[in-house]
Amino acid sequence: DTGVSQDPRHKITKRGQNVTFRCDPISEHNRLYWYRQTLGQGPEFLTYFQNEAQLEKSRLLSDRFSAERPKGSFSTLEIQRTEQGDSAMYLCASSFGDSSYEQYFGPGTRLTVT
Amino acid sequence: QQQVKQSPQSLIVQKGGISIINCAYENTAFDYFPWYQQFPGKGPALLIAIRPDVSEKKEGRFTISFNKSAKQFSLHIMDSQPGDSATYFCAASRGSGGYQKVTFGIGTKLQVIP
Repeated sequence: DTGVSQDPRHKITKRGQNVTFRCDPISEHNRLYWYRQTLGQGPEFLTYFQNEAQLEKSRLLSDRFSAERPKGSFSTLEIQRTEQGDSAMYLCASSFGDSSYEQYFGPGTRLTVT
Repeated sequence: QQQVKQSPQSLIVQKGGISIINCAYENTAFDYFPWYQQFPGKGPALLIAIRPDVSEKKEGRFTISFNKSAKQFSLHIMDSQPGDSATYFCAASRGSGGYQKVTFGIGTKLQVIP
């Protein structure tokens, strides 16, 4: 399977714990995006990487959130001191090229904070 | 604020009927209008897209109608099938720092009944 993969698919954690999600984009895709999707809503942009550089962060990305993309390949999204409001589906997408009109989404990581 | 407004939030259509989902936007800087299809447990997948200089685009049973002056666009699914049952998101994107920043609608849950 050459699509975007995310791990884990589901994560249940207690409030206050730290969690980390991983995204493996499509090979050679230089652009990588993180979105958050809550129940009954469309995905909301969180952050964008071009290669290893994080070029844009949404105001939704509080100080408890950090994302990295070392060496421009896979990416991780870490949430520190999780809150119940962090419960959501976290989606990763990737794209390639200067136009980058089409973004390919992974299956998401569903986070439940109890 | 909701930059892309989508309606209805849910839709039930009989097999063979036409499904119609409507969207409206405010920001005239948007230059690409994709529709995504999402099945339960999966990430969104690009279905069809249109640019604002075109009034209609058809791909198989799926058609986008675009009204630039009214800032509205819609998705028509002809001969709807039970396999089309999914959540559909309209979106609008604009160039931002070399990538397309995508804003999604709230989604329409479509159910096609036999």
